[in-house]
Amino acid sequence: QVRLVQSGAEVKKPGSSVKVSCKASGGTFTSHAFSWVRQAPGQGLEWMGVVIPMFGSVKYAQQFLGRLTITADESTSATYMELSRLTYEDTAVYYCARELTGTSAFDIWGQGTMVPVSS
Amino acid sequence: DIQMTQSPSTLSASVGDTITITCRASQSIRTWLAWYQQKPGKAPKLLIYDASRLESGVPSRFGGSGSETEFTLTISSLQPEDFATYYCQHYNSYSFMHTFGQGTKLQIK
Repeated sequence: QVRLVQSGAEVKKPGSSVKVSCKASGGTFTSHAFSWVRQAPGQGLEWMGVVIPMFGSVKYAQQFLGRLTITADESTSATYMELSRLTYEDTAVYYCARELTGTSAFDIWGQGTMVPVSS
Repeated sequence: DIQMTQSPSTLSASVGDTITITCRASQSIRTWLAWYQQKPGKAPKLLIYDASRLESGVPSRFGGSGSETEFTLTISSLQPEDFATYYCQHYNSYSFMHTFGQGTKLQIK
């Protein structure tokens, strides 16, 4: 059974950075793209960006350009999301998600990582 | 950028009802659309992809239709476990970009 297991919650201060990991178990890591999606408290889903391990490429949503870095490590079947220059508005649950082969819908999701930004 | 607009934002219904949620795209997105169900404190769950394909393991009371700019999610004979928030998502397999609708909360009447 394919699973995505994310790192644990982290409290961060404004201006700092956070790096969240997402490890895949089962399946073939390089056969899929992996996205990061966040959800602020009581709000909807916001797509942040994607890494495509097979091509070694990444794409970011416009609003995160310059402070978001998504990477993938094939040797450990893990993807990482690093967001810098955090503000209170970055308080959210961060999810990783795998794209279904043959389409780009997200068939497998991580459990989510809560990142409160607080002074 | 393509915008996705869901309606209604909130929907009240009873067990056994049939409901429909609509998602409109600001321009044609062919059938590059998925629907997700999310319960409080949980990750979203894929229900429908490519506008009308049922994800494996999802009950057949869930159905999706539409193309280009207008899409619907229909849930027939609502069950207690169906009360949740539903999101549509546009994806582009060429640009790898994604956009979510703002969500529809389905609550018990």
